[in-house]
Amino acid sequence: SQKIEQNSEALNIQEGKTATLTCNYTNYSPAYLQWYRQDPGRGPVFLLLIRENEKEKRKERLKVTFDTTLKQSLFHITASQPADSATYLCALGGKLIFGQGTELSVKP
Amino acid sequence: NAGVTQTPKFQVLKTGQSMTLQCAQDMNHEYMSWYRQDPGMGLRLIHYSVGAGITDQGEVPNGYNVSRSTTEDFPLRLLSAAPSQTSVYFCASSASLVVSSYNSPLHFGNGTRLTVT
Repeated sequence: SQKIEQNSEALNIQEGKTATLTCNYTNYSPAYLQWYRQDPGRGPVFLLLIRENEKEKRKERLKVTFDTTLKQSLFHITASQPADSATYLCALGGKLIFGQGTELSVKP
Repeated sequence: NAGVTQTPKFQVLKTGQSMTLQCAQDMNHEYMSWYRQDPGMGLRLIHYSVGAGITDQGEVPNGYNVSRSTTEDFPLRLLSAAPSQTSVYFCASSASLVVSSYNSPLHFGNGTRLTVT
C-alpha cells in the first residue's frame, strides 16, 4: 500500500545549526511533493512545492531536495532559529496524502 | 481576507449525537477537503470536492457526510457520533481547477477539536 514516512522522533538542535528532516515514501510515483509547517493549535501552512524534475528548491533559509530514485525528500532549514520550532509535514499524491510530521525544536 | 474559516473551534458530543462542522473560504477556490488529525497518524483525508455539486470520498469517509451547494461552503456532517471520531478536524481549500491539479498548495483553517464521550 502507499505509505509516507517521516521521522516520528522529535528533532532537537541548537540555534544556528542546520536542521534536516526526512520524508520517505513507498508505492508512489509523485510528480511533486509539498512541505508544510504546523504550529500547535493551528492548521498547516504551505512552505514549498518541488516537482520531480527539480532536484532542489530553495526559499530563503529553506531548501528541499527530491530524489525519485531513493523515493525521498529532504527538508533543510539553515541557520535555524527558535522561531523555526514547529511540526513539519510532507505531502504528496493526487489527493495530497500527508506524512505524520516531524517535530522540530530549536534551542537558543 | 479571512481565508478558510472553521466553526466551532471546540465541540463535545455524546455518542450518537449528530452535528455539522462548518467550513467557509473566501478565496473562490474550487477544491475543498476535510482531514482529520490524530496523534501519530498524521492528516487523513475524509472527503473532498472539486466544485459545487461534486464530492468524493477520501481515505477515511465512513461516518461522515459532505455536500457542496456553493463554492464557498463545505460542511462536514457527523450523523451519529462515535468515540472513534474524537479528533481534530481541518478543512482546506486550493485554487486547483481540475482534478489533475490537486497538487497546488492547500490553505488550511485552524481546525475544530471534537471530543465524543
